[in-house]
Amino acid sequence: QKEVEQDPGPLSVPEGAIVSLNCTYSNSAFQYFMWYRQYSRKGPELLMYTYSSGNKEDGRFTAQVDKSSKYISLFIRDSQPSDSATYLCAMMSNSGYALNFGKGTSLLVTP
Amino acid sequence: GAGVSQSPSNKVTEKGKDVELRCDPISGHTALYWYRQRLGQGLEFLIYFQGNSAPDKSGLPSDRFSAERTGESVSTLTIQRTQQEDSAVYLCASSPIGGSYEQYFGPGTRLTVT
Repeated sequence: QKEVEQDPGPLSVPEGAIVSLNCTYSNSAFQYFMWYRQYSRKGPELLMYTYSSGNKEDGRFTAQVDKSSKYISLFIRDSQPSDSATYLCAMMSNSGYALNFGKGTSLLVTP
Repeated sequence: GAGVSQSPSNKVTEKGKDVELRCDPISGHTALYWYRQRLGQGLEFLIYFQGNSAPDKSGLPSDRFSAERTGESVSTLTIQRTQQEDSAVYLCASSPIGGSYEQYFGPGTRLTVT
């Protein structure tokens, strides 16, 4: 079993919809939880990060971490066609430096 | 400012040949990472450089893989005697300090072994 599990999709939604992306993990040492966005033929770019449990909001994006369930989520409100990309969850422990990635979820927002 | 750059962007090679991939990190970033992204898979950690410390090579999949970094600048990833299973996108990232969750990725080198 991989340490980080993520449904690869693809996920297709109409413009304006609320999108929910999520990952589960097995390593209780993970303390940093990140969401990276990757456009086709580009490198991943950091979208949001959360330390330990809780919620974090940035504009249309909300990240949630539930350490008791080992479950993290990213919500995108009022989704736009420009949000079409692959979303990768990534995690790291306090003592680590290598990011542990999920497979990524491919999202398509249709006009 | 300039981001992480990688070259070549694409590389097609025959099985058994050696290849060298290059990464130029963001200026001033002390930490550098290599990851591999195979089709349908998540990014896999390969190797980590931090300043003048010995690199962490624990993610390298076989002894055909090696990497070097000159001080806090350019890094090269070398794959010897390439195999078809080496086909992947090789991504380099850098961060201002070691052990940072905030890693800045380059566009990657797409390697195809025929």
